[in-house]
Amino acid sequence: DQQVKQNSPSLSVQEGRISILNCDYTNSMFDYFLWYKKYPAEGPTFLISISSIKDKNEDGRFTVFLNKSAKHLSLHIVPSQPGDSAVYFCAASVGGATNKLIFGTGTLLAVQP
Amino acid sequence: EPEVTQTPSHQVTQMGQEVILRCVPISNHLYFYWYRQILGQKVEFLVSFYNNEISEKSEIFDDQFSVERPDGSNFTLKIRSTKLEDSAMYFCASRKMTGGFYNEQFFGPGTRLTVL
Repeated sequence: DQQVKQNSPSLSVQEGRISILNCDYTNSMFDYFLWYKKYPAEGPTFLISISSIKDKNEDGRFTVFLNKSAKHLSLHIVPSQPGDSAVYFCAASVGGATNKLIFGTGTLLAVQP
Repeated sequence: EPEVTQTPSHQVTQMGQEVILRCVPISNHLYFYWYRQILGQKVEFLVSFYNNEISEKSEIFDDQFSVERPDGSNFTLKIRSTKLEDSAMYFCASRKMTGGFYNEQFFGPGTRLTVL
């Protein structure tokens, strides 16, 4: 089941620069997309989301872009900080009764001081 | 800030034994979920629960699994007869439902289940 894919297992970025994390999906029924951040031995922490009626959503240093025609979304973090170092998961759901989340495999972001 | 809590943080059990994983969702949330993450793999949906009944379950959630909301605050996952392959991190999540709008799920810290 590869409905949500994160093709980059890891990413290294210098502090202060932009981090761009990418996610692709195959199910055209997905209409709600989320990014979660996860530290070791902790649960996923919600970062930002976007519904399919939008193509951009911004919250502070975090911006999510959605390209429905390409079935692609990305998370931009500007400026990156060492505390941003974690695993980032993309997740998608079909709006409706359960909104179960389908997760990608995650991207390990390392922000170098 | 309200949060989802889970107990225990780590559970070790023998194959064939029953385990109960406990969760306290955020108090005004109406949807509850269990997910699991086997080491090195992605987070997988197990089951969703609303209005005191299962609303959806995955193919992983077979007859060995059950969920319950026994007292209006706790939400439990029971594995009746554990197998080695049940070893994983189990996450509870909850979500409020504001009619018509999508909203995020909040996750607990997880219970690491080790089946020997």
